[in-house]
Amino acid sequence: EVQLLEAGGGLVQPGGSLRLSCATSAFNLRVHAMSWVRQAPGKGLEWVSGISGSGERTFYADSVKGRFTISRDNTRNTLHLQMNSLRAEDTAVYHCAKGNTNDPDRLTSAYDSWGQGTLVAVAS
Amino acid sequence: EVVMTQSPATLSVSPGERATLSCRASESVSSALAWYQQKPGQAPRLLIYGASTRATGIPDRFSGSGSGTEFTLTISSLQSEDFAVYYCQQYSKWHTFGQGTRLEIK
Repeated sequence: EVQLLEAGGGLVQPGGSLRLSCATSAFNLRVHAMSWVRQAPGKGLEWVSGISGSGERTFYADSVKGRFTISRDNTRNTLHLQMNSLRAEDTAVYHCAKGNTNDPDRLTSAYDSWGQGTLVAVAS
Repeated sequence: EVVMTQSPATLSVSPGERATLSCRASESVSSALAWYQQKPGQAPRLLIYGASTRATGIPDRFSGSGSGTEFTLTISSLQSEDFAVYYCQQYSKWHTFGQGTRLEIK
């Protein structure tokens, strides 16, 4: 069974940093593009960032561009999101999500597996 | 950015009845449209992709239709476990989600 397990969330002050991780299992990570999607408390879903299977191509929502960095380690079956210069509006549950195609360069797709998410709270 | 608009915001339906949820895109997304179900405290679950293809393990009471800018998710006979929030997502031009439709028991 495909599993995605996020970690690294917590309470951080505005301007601070956090590094999220997503441990994956039961599928070949390198053939899937992956994304981070967030959900503010009581709100809807917002795509944050995506990365190709090789890690060579990365993309970001305008709201996080220049502050967040997505990366992956296919040898350790792990996805990361480095978040710097955090703002109150970044407060959300962050989910990692697996693209539902076997094309590692296809950044746009539906997501057929999601992690439960990790909560990031930005407050002073 | 492609804006996705779902209607209604809340839908009240009795168990055993049919539910019809709508999603409209601000510009054509062809068939690059997915539907998700989310229950409280859980991750979203993929129901439909490619506008009309059911994901693995999804019961056939769930069906999707539409293309271009108008899409529909139909649940033919509501079961108790179907009451949840439903989101549409376009993945033609990056990714944007609708604001969700809450399906509640009437």
